[in-house]
Amino acid sequence: EDQVTQSPEALRLQEGESSSLNCSYTVSGLRGLFWYRQDPGKGPEFLFTLYSAGEEKEKERLKATLTKKESFLHITAPKPEDSATYLCAVQVRGGSQGNLIFGKGTKLSVKP
Amino acid sequence: EPEVTQTPSHQVTQMGQEVILRCVPISNHLYFYWYRQILGQKVEFLVSFYNNEISEKSEIFDDQFSVERPDGSNFTLKIRSTKLEDSAMYFCASNRVDSNQPQHFGDGTRLSIL
Repeated sequence: EDQVTQSPEALRLQEGESSSLNCSYTVSGLRGLFWYRQDPGKGPEFLFTLYSAGEEKEKERLKATLTKKESFLHITAPKPEDSATYLCAVQVRGGSQGNLIFGKGTKLSVKP
Repeated sequence: EPEVTQTPSHQVTQMGQEVILRCVPISNHLYFYWYRQILGQKVEFLVSFYNNEISEKSEIFDDQFSVERPDGSNFTLKIRSTKLEDSAMYFCASNRVDSNQPQHFGDGTRLSIL
């Protein structure tokens, strides 16, 4: 069964304290891995897409990496406004129209 | 920047009643999706829609659910006879010409069944 697991469930950081979020996946064939940010009461906001092992994408303080089994979202010198739930989702190769399989997310809190 | 818009933001309905959730996808997008998120749980895929027909649906999307694109802009999810367990956030998403492209989500409709 295709599965996505994110860890930790929750992460508390001090402002400026860098860390990483993990997304491990077990799928029959990866078509793409997506990172989203979700603020309370809002829909997921797209951050990155990764398609193949070794690929990296960066945006401001965030960097996403991909291996054959997992993806990391590295947060460098986070600020309080980075507080949100970060969701990882995969598309499976062979799926007809690209439905996403989500993990439960990591709730990040950054204290000033 | 173009957005996916959903209405209403909150819908309260009596069990057994029909409910229609509305979405306006981004204008040049061709693939449309509905997802739901029960409080404290994962976002779950319900259905995808392309070229005026359902492309794929999950086990959750049973005979009580239907989708429609009644005109050139709206995309609706209908639940014919709501149950208590239908209470959730319902998200609409869309993407462009290739379903590999990132899906862009609306802010959801919170559905509360009494």
